[in-house]
Amino acid sequence: GQNIDQPTEMTATEGAIVQINCTYQTSGFNGLFWYQQHAGEAPTFLSYNVLDGLEEKGRFSSFLSRSKGYSYLLLKELQMKDSASYLCARMDSNYQLIWGAGTKLIIKP
Amino acid sequence: IAGITQAPTSQILAAGRRMTLRCTQDMRHNAMYWYRQDLGLGLRLIHYSNTAGTTGKGEVPDGYSVSRANTDDFPLTLASAVPSQTSVYFCASSETQGGYNEQFFGPGTRLTVL
Repeated sequence: GQNIDQPTEMTATEGAIVQINCTYQTSGFNGLFWYQQHAGEAPTFLSYNVLDGLEEKGRFSSFLSRSKGYSYLLLKELQMKDSASYLCARMDSNYQLIWGAGTKLIIKP
Repeated sequence: IAGITQAPTSQILAAGRRMTLRCTQDMRHNAMYWYRQDLGLGLRLIHYSNTAGTTGKGEVPDGYSVSRANTDDFPLTLASAVPSQTSVYFCASSETQGGYNEQFFGPGTRLTVL
């Protein structure tokens, strides 16, 4: 991808909270998306941020700072089914998505 | 059930052969996309279509072609397959291009070129 950085892998404990960070190139920015992808399956939409601040949706929240080129996905009350890859993607000036390589989240009991 | 279907689910192909991956959506979405996903690289856009009758090149278009004769179908053709095209291919669609437009993904086609 074009300057989308996120950790390759993270491990967390069931019931805990985990924050997955994403940094991106700020030029030509038109929004930031988070998707979830279980192994062997298609990505599914989690969240969209275009303005600074926190968007909360149940156990999942997403934060954006446009000036810093930074976003994070916060997962609370982790469940085993949250074990998946989490993909950060920014929408560029041509309204196409540029994807990060994804963060594989491993949940341990 | 509304959504996107892709065919085949998986395919092993000899190098040099021609192959068309099929994608159909029944959500009446205007925009459609083809991505490839390779380990460690994330999703990369191959081609896209903002509306029936129009197509555009993405980040990695070489060796691939697409057509969009109607709203529902968006086939991807490999004219002469090479081993570097071994990948998982995802078709996606969104209501329109840009802004808050969630992309819906098909189940993917796992292609191996030998």
